[in-house]
Amino acid sequence: NAGVTQTPKFRVLKTGQSMTLLCAQDMNHEYMYWYRQDPGMGLRLIHYSVGEGTTAKGEVPDGYNVSRLKKQNFLLGLESAAPSQTSVYFCASSRLRTGGQNEQYFGPGTRLTVT
Amino acid sequence: AQTVTQSQPEMSVQEAETVTLSCTYDTSESNYYLFWYKQPPSRQMILVIRQEAYKQQNATENRFSVNFQKAAKSFSLKISDSQLGDTAMYFCAFMKRGFGNEKLTFGTGTRLTIIP
Repeated sequence: NAGVTQTPKFRVLKTGQSMTLLCAQDMNHEYMYWYRQDPGMGLRLIHYSVGEGTTAKGEVPDGYNVSRLKKQNFLLGLESAAPSQTSVYFCASSRLRTGGQNEQYFGPGTRLTVT
Repeated sequence: AQTVTQSQPEMSVQEAETVTLSCTYDTSESNYYLFWYKQPPSRQMILVIRQEAYKQQNATENRFSVNFQKAAKSFSLKISDSQLGDTAMYFCAFMKRGFGNEKLTFGTGTRLTIIP
């Protein structure tokens, strides 16, 4: 049981390049999330998904797209990377449970640098 | 919208001592959850403790306990008998209660160093 995994762990992009970050979970969780972590700012929600085939915008969605074609995978895309997208990206997942007591399980993070 | 404030960017304490990390939040919601997450140098986010706002009793998990003051919108974390492995960033987080509200709002974190 690997939990939440992220690929890749590190990446350096040039401005304008594109890339996709992959998040996979093997816990059969319905909800998945993408956060970014910047120094002094905590984690901020980019996009999230409440189920296969559904996505929604979070707090800082601009410049990113997501897809959830399979329940276990949640992809984060950068179509044209900018230096402002230099950050550490975290994926998380949680179970659908009414009442909101849903612990989010986090992946190990991806450090992305855009030059 | 909710906001979470952690006013202590850094703290340090001697091993075996007790330390309290502060967190305040602002919300108009009455039903919600509060969390403390730990992020060690490995970067992995680990849930430390959670509190349900409708419960008056403060949550405890072994050496970790919270002081939840709903009226004051305060949610502090106390670590007793601190250990070297407690060295990490600690994040306070808020989640509204209810289906479809599973998004976390994080504070900016407190970097805690345990001194041998």
